[in-house]
Amino acid sequence: DAKTTQPNSMESNEEEPVHLPCNHSTISGTDYIHWYRQLPSQGPEYVIHGLTSNVNNRMASLAIAEDRKSSTLILHRATLRDAAVYYCILSERGGTSYGKLTFGQGTILTVHP
Amino acid sequence: EAQVTQNPRYLITVTGKKLTVTCSQNMNHEYMSWYRQDPGLGLRQIYYSMNVEVTDKGDVPEGYKVSRKEKRNFPLILESPSPNQTSLYFCASSLGQGGATPYGYTFGSGTRLTVV
Repeated sequence: DAKTTQPNSMESNEEEPVHLPCNHSTISGTDYIHWYRQLPSQGPEYVIHGLTSNVNNRMASLAIAEDRKSSTLILHRATLRDAAVYYCILSERGGTSYGKLTFGQGTILTVHP
Repeated sequence: EAQVTQNPRYLITVTGKKLTVTCSQNMNHEYMSWYRQDPGLGLRQIYYSMNVEVTDKGDVPEGYKVSRKEKRNFPLILESPSPNQTSLYFCASSLGQGGATPYGYTFGSGTRLTVV
């Protein structure tokens, strides 16, 4: 399975931007980069995903490096409700990994008032 | 509201007593999957289904069964539960045939299972 590396934890202040990094140096050309977050006692929630170009939606932006070996999830103005575990995941196409999301440990984001 | 619904939310059972955790989605998604989440091990895939009558094993399928007779339902069956199956279970669905297509996954709220 293709692996991702994320910092264990990050902290931010409310209403400040947050940049959550992710390294995926073994990414293959057909792997999509997904980001999910999980609040306590809830299921993972889809945030954003992309392939090569930067992506924006109502929740966040995803900046993908030109060589695709890293990406950054950007929360433009953090709120207390954004405190969660954030997972960067590669969705794979090949063989028995088809369609599987392989979750790592994620980054615990703490947002201070 | 588009959602994945799991039942029950909480379940305590005894070793060996067969149980079924139901999962239903109302989004006409083709792809469905079951994950378990354990402290220190993260989320691991148990089984997945790319369409009706098509299922396959994930990373930790031992002790579990699934079926996909209808597109909307994907029940997880524990024929003879054991204490090591105590975990938090999540069902997920996606429009495309897995995450390699440009669609995100929708997860259910989870089922916390305790086997004593």
